[in-house]
Amino acid sequence: EVQLVQSGAEVKGPGKSLKISCQAVGLQYPSHWIGWVRQRPGKGLEWMGIVYLADSDAMYSPSFEGQVTMSADKSTATAYLQWSSLKDSDTAIYYCARLFAMVSLFDIWGQGTRLTVSS
Amino acid sequence: VLTQSPGTLSLSPGQRATLSCRASQSVSSSFLGWYQHKPGQAPRLLIYGASSRATGIPARFSASGSGTDFTLTISRLEPEDFAVYYCQVYGPELGTFGPGTTVDVK
Repeated sequence: EVQLVQSGAEVKGPGKSLKISCQAVGLQYPSHWIGWVRQRPGKGLEWMGIVYLADSDAMYSPSFEGQVTMSADKSTATAYLQWSSLKDSDTAIYYCARLFAMVSLFDIWGQGTRLTVSS
Repeated sequence: VLTQSPGTLSLSPGQRATLSCRASQSVSSSFLGWYQHKPGQAPRLLIYGASSRATGIPARFSASGSGTDFTLTISRLEPEDFAVYYCQVYGPELGTFGPGTTVDVK
């Protein structure tokens, strides 16, 4: 059974950098896309992009292109989401999820990482 | 762009819920899905391919539609069904979620 285990909650100041993780436990081969979904406080879900575990190939939703960087480490089946300079507006819960490739929907989800950006 | 209606649906347990998802242009049914999201939990995939139930999803959840109009129906609401429901499509601009429909207790 595949599970996605995300790193813990973070509190960071504006302008700081951050990298959060999502490890796919129970995956036999790293031939999967892992996606990231943002949920700002009181708002809906936003599709950010996907990264291929085997080679770190990433595709970004236009709204997130240039704002974050997605990467992966195939040796540990871990996907990463990274910011170089955090803003207050990055405060959100970030979910990772496995892409069910046949239909390009997310079938297995991580528990979420809560990020608070505040001075 | 996906729009969902109504924004909020206030119903009682046992009632039928009908949720709508409309796309601004025709989308492939193969890549249209529905998720359930409860506070403090991760979202859960309910429906994929516009009408196929995901693993473990009860039969009271059904969905249909094609082109630009899609519907999720919950035949008889159980207490655990009160949540936010999102449609999502994968297309030329990659993935997009609708704004969600909240199903709450009347």
